[in-house]
Amino acid sequence: QKEVEQNSGPLSVPEGAIASLNCTYSDRGSQSFFWYRQYSGKSPELIMSIYSNGDKEDGRFTAQLNKASQYVSLLIRDSQPSDSATYLCAGARRQLTFGSGTQLTVLP
Amino acid sequence: DAGVTQSPTHLIKTRGQQVTLRCSPKSGHDTVSWYQQALGQGPQFIFQYYEEEERQRGNFPDRFSGHQFPNYSSELNVNALLLGDSALYLCASSPTRFAGNTIYFGEGSWLTVV
Repeated sequence: QKEVEQNSGPLSVPEGAIASLNCTYSDRGSQSFFWYRQYSGKSPELIMSIYSNGDKEDGRFTAQLNKASQYVSLLIRDSQPSDSATYLCAGARRQLTFGSGTQLTVLP
Repeated sequence: DAGVTQSPTHLIKTRGQQVTLRCSPKSGHDTVSWYQQALGQGPQFIFQYYEEEERQRGNFPDRFSGHQFPNYSSELNVNALLLGDSALYLCASSPTRFAGNTIYFGEGSWLTVV
């Protein structure tokens, strides 16, 4: 079992819709979680971090963490074509452990 | 203020050769970590350097080694290259050994082994 698992996708949503990305983790020692966006051929860019149970909102992005269920999600509201990228979920204890990513395409 | 810089950007090596990749951390950062990202996969942690010593290591063979210099810059060395070593190698820096959301990635070095 991988330590961090993501829906492999790809996921396609129409412009203006909500994109929902999901991630589960196995290491209960992970204290914090991160969502990175990675455009093709580029390095990962941090878009959200979450440390405690519940929701955290930042602009069009909302991260959700449920430690009891070992589940992390990212919602992107009003999706734009520029959101088309691979989204990486990462858990952290002493270093980052990444999932394999979910490729999102927002269709104009 | 320069971010994390890596060199070279792209390189091609032959099986069995050795390669050295370089990283300069963001100003004010003293911890450098290296990750390997194969095509279609998430980054995999190789090792972390702090105070010129390897502090943590992921599940990578001894062919992968590193170094950190007094100015906090770092090198990743890979010996006896295999085709499977072809990947994007990412350097990440942070101001402490683990700083959560203040980890910054460089643009990476694309290594192709033929």
